[in-house]
Amino acid sequence: GQNIDQPTEMTATEGAIVQINCTYQTSGFNGLFWYQQHAGEAPTFLSYNVLDGLEEKGRFSSFLSRSKGYSYLLLKELQMKDSASYLCAVRDSNYQLIWGAGTKLIIKP
Amino acid sequence: ETGVTQTPRHLVMGMTNKKSLKCEQHLGHNAMYWYKQSAKKPLELMFVYNFKEQTENNSVPSRFSPECPNSSHLFLHLHTLQPEDSALYLCASSQDLGSSYEQYFGPGTRLTVT
Repeated sequence: GQNIDQPTEMTATEGAIVQINCTYQTSGFNGLFWYQQHAGEAPTFLSYNVLDGLEEKGRFSSFLSRSKGYSYLLLKELQMKDSASYLCAVRDSNYQLIWGAGTKLIIKP
Repeated sequence: ETGVTQTPRHLVMGMTNKKSLKCEQHLGHNAMYWYKQSAKKPLELMFVYNFKEQTENNSVPSRFSPECPNSSHLFLHLHTLQPEDSALYLCASSQDLGSSYEQYFGPGTRLTVT
C-alpha cells in the first residue's frame, strides 16, 4: 500500500529552527509537495520538489532524497504565525496526490 | 484570498436530508477536486474533474454525487448521509493534472450529520 509518514505534533520556540520530516512509500514518484494549513483554514502551497536536493524560499526550505523516500521542511527564524499544520503529499505514478496526516507545529514564545 | 470559494461554510443536516455543496474557482484552472478531511487523518481524495470530465472516483459511496457543469464550478450533492460523513469538505483546483501543478484550496465546508 501507499504510505506517507510524518510526526503528529512538534513544538518549537519563537526565533528557532525546526525540521519536519516526511517519509513515503508510494507506487512511483512524480513530485513531493508541502502545504501549510492554519486551523480552520484552507491548505496553502509552500513548496514542490521533484529532483534531489534543497529548494529554498525565504525562511522555508524543502529537501528531497528520492533514493531514501525522504523529505523535510525546514523553517527558520520561527514566528508565532508559523503555528499551523504542515502537510506532506507525494504524486504517485498515476499522478494522484497521496497525503500525509499532517504535522501540527506549536510555536512557544 | 486563494481564488477558490466554497458555500456554505458550515452545514448541519439530518440523515434524511438532501443538500449540495458548491465550489467556484476564479483562476482559469482546468482541474477541480473534492477532498474529505477528518481530524488527524490524511486528506482523502473523493473526485477529480479535468475539463469537466470526471477522471477519478475513489470508491466514494453513492450518497455523494458530484457535478461539474463547467471548468469553474463544482458541486457535491449529498443525500441520506451517515454521522461518520461529518468532516471538512475541501474543494481544490489546479492548472491541469500535470505533476508540477500545485492545488489551490477553498476554505472548506464544515459538515455535521446528525
